[in-house]
Amino acid sequence: ETGVTQSPTHLIKTRGQQVTLRCSSQSGHNTVSWYQQALGQGPQFIFQYYREEENGRGNFPPRFSGLQFPNYSSELNVNALELDDSALYLCASHTEGNTGELFFGEGSRLTVL
Amino acid sequence: QKEVEQDPGPLSVPEGAIVSLNCTYSNSAFQYFMWYRQYSRKGPELLMYTYSSGNKEDGRFTAQVDKSSKYISLFIRDSQPSDSATYLCAMLRGSGTYKYIFGTGTRLKVLA
Repeated sequence: ETGVTQSPTHLIKTRGQQVTLRCSSQSGHNTVSWYQQALGQGPQFIFQYYREEENGRGNFPPRFSGLQFPNYSSELNVNALELDDSALYLCASHTEGNTGELFFGEGSRLTVL
Repeated sequence: QKEVEQDPGPLSVPEGAIVSLNCTYSNSAFQYFMWYRQYSRKGPELLMYTYSSGNKEDGRFTAQVDKSSKYISLFIRDSQPSDSATYLCAMLRGSGTYKYIFGTGTRLKVLA
């Protein structure tokens, strides 16, 4: 059983640029969530995708968008990057109906200069 | 006021000590309570998962939930240097949403 994998692991962007982060869900998991973790903070819920549809969203502006593909892999896109977008972006997957265990990837660390 | 409050630490204890980590919350709708461990530069991993009030034990770890006081705890017995990590509490309202609310995390250092 493969775990959740994310790419890239690190990247540096400048203000105003756009970024795409990628996630491959754990085998058998059809639901994926994205979280933003700023330094010294807990993860903050961005949104969740289930069967290729957005299924819940946190308090993030529309410039944060996502996609889920038929193989349940996912992308997080952020447009018009701001300095405060610098954070660790975590992808997590779980099975339908599961209300406990989220399986997290190692994260993508984004630095915005 | 944040929905979930957690002391950020850092907390330093000697090897073998009993560690107590705590979170308080304000939303009585939370039904599922979890503790995650996060090592530096890694994603969080689930340690304990509980539903409703009471205690749950797994090896050296005990999770405690007191819904009347809106207070949850994680106890680590016989702490080891390998337990040094950030511990995050997380909560979930229940069916229909998978929006997990995390605490800020408590940094724990177990000294050999």
